[in-house]
Amino acid sequence: DAKTTQPPSMDCAEGRAANLPCNHSTISGNEYVYWYRQIHSQGPQYIIHGLKNNETNEMASLIITEDRKSSTLILPHATLRDTAVYYCIVRVPGGSEKLVFGKGTKLTVNP
Amino acid sequence: NAGVTQTPKFQVLKTGQSMTLQCAQDMNHEYMSWYRQDPGMGLRLIHYSVGAGITDQGEVPNGYNVSRSTTEDFPLRLLSAAPSQTSVYFCASRNWGTGGGGGEKLFFGSGTQLSVL
Repeated sequence: DAKTTQPPSMDCAEGRAANLPCNHSTISGNEYVYWYRQIHSQGPQYIIHGLKNNETNEMASLIITEDRKSSTLILPHATLRDTAVYYCIVRVPGGSEKLVFGKGTKLTVNP
Repeated sequence: NAGVTQTPKFQVLKTGQSMTLQCAQDMNHEYMSWYRQDPGMGLRLIHYSVGAGITDQGEVPNGYNVSRSTTEDFPLRLLSAAPSQTSVYFCASRNWGTGGGGGEKLFFGSGTQLSVL
């Protein structure tokens, strides 16, 4: 699975959009990008995933660059409850089961 | 559905003691796994299973044992607890072999906080 790079921390004002970047410059053509988040020592929670098209669901939007070497998770109207560690992972579905979580980005939403 | 249920939520052991962390899921997921998380670290994979009777090692398997006798349950055994095993443990499950990327969503339990003195 390709390696990802994320900033260790970010801040965002409540009500504003939070844009979390992820670099995956060695991603291969059949690897998907997945995002999870972990709120204060709870179990991680799936957010969204995508291959090459932009994706949106009730939680967030995922923007993947055309060359697929990076992506951005967008929380359109961040709330205090979005304060969490966000993990970006790339992998091939059905590939290695050794799903590796890095250190992620600690997002702090400020009132 | 209850999802993924872990017990106990908290546990304190003395060095050398053994214990079993329980994990159960009611989503009929073939794949189950155990992670540990240490302060400031990401999650590290201990063991995983892709079905009853099938288990394999992850990144940090030493000191832990697993078995999978049913689809629902995937217990993690600490054979002789050591202070280095003080950590938060998470169990996760998902469907196995579903194509299109969507079947890869992992569902996590709420964790077990273990302290080994």
